[in-house]
Amino acid sequence: AQSVAQPEDQVNVAEGNPLTVKCTYSVSGNPYLFWYVQYPNRGLQFLLKYITGDNLVKGSYGFEAEFNKSQTSFHLKKPSALVSDSALYFCAVRDLNSGGYQKVTFGTGTKLQVIP
Amino acid sequence: GAGVSQSPSNKVTEKGKDVELRCDPISGHTALYWYRQSLGQGLEFLIYFQGNSAPDKSGLPSDRFSAERTGGSVSTLTIQRTQQEDSAVYLCASTQGAYGYTFGSGTRLTVV
Repeated sequence: AQSVAQPEDQVNVAEGNPLTVKCTYSVSGNPYLFWYVQYPNRGLQFLLKYITGDNLVKGSYGFEAEFNKSQTSFHLKKPSALVSDSALYFCAVRDLNSGGYQKVTFGTGTKLQVIP
Repeated sequence: GAGVSQSPSNKVTEKGKDVELRCDPISGHTALYWYRQSLGQGLEFLIYFQGNSAPDKSGLPSDRFSAERTGGSVSTLTIQRTQQEDSAVYLCASTQGAYGYTFGSGTRLTVV
């Protein structure tokens, strides 16, 4: 079974400060990892993904995420937060060993509030 | 179309009535998913269609829920005899490859 944990329901950060949204995962094989963002009254949007290669993945809107295999983590980061980054962020994982079955498991989401 | 389209965007229904939610995926995407997002909850997997294979219905919460996908394209999620706990945002997503999904904007269902 695969699972994702987002330990923080909400993260508050001042505009201009660096932000981190935490995610840890559990899979039996090698993970595919994703971050999605949901702005108010909008659908989910893809931010970035990790498949293989460099542990630091860069994505949309200046976001990046660092894959840490030993800690089974995939934290989302941004060097300088914007008020417009305020949204709901979802981490997701897919087990490479799931073969042709592509089900992705999502975390419960973390609300990011950037304070002006 | 350019994205995944869901309709209606909002639906208010009386308890006990049936509802149908529609998803129009991106043309050519072979995989289609339905998820449910309840207040304060994460995304709950409901059902998955992949090409002509039998759908994975393992996430459907009860036999009141069903879904079909016609011609490998449009999908309809049907909820019979709706209950108040069915109130949620129902999200559809499609994908072609193994990685990233494209989500629709969702249908907000309110059962009163």
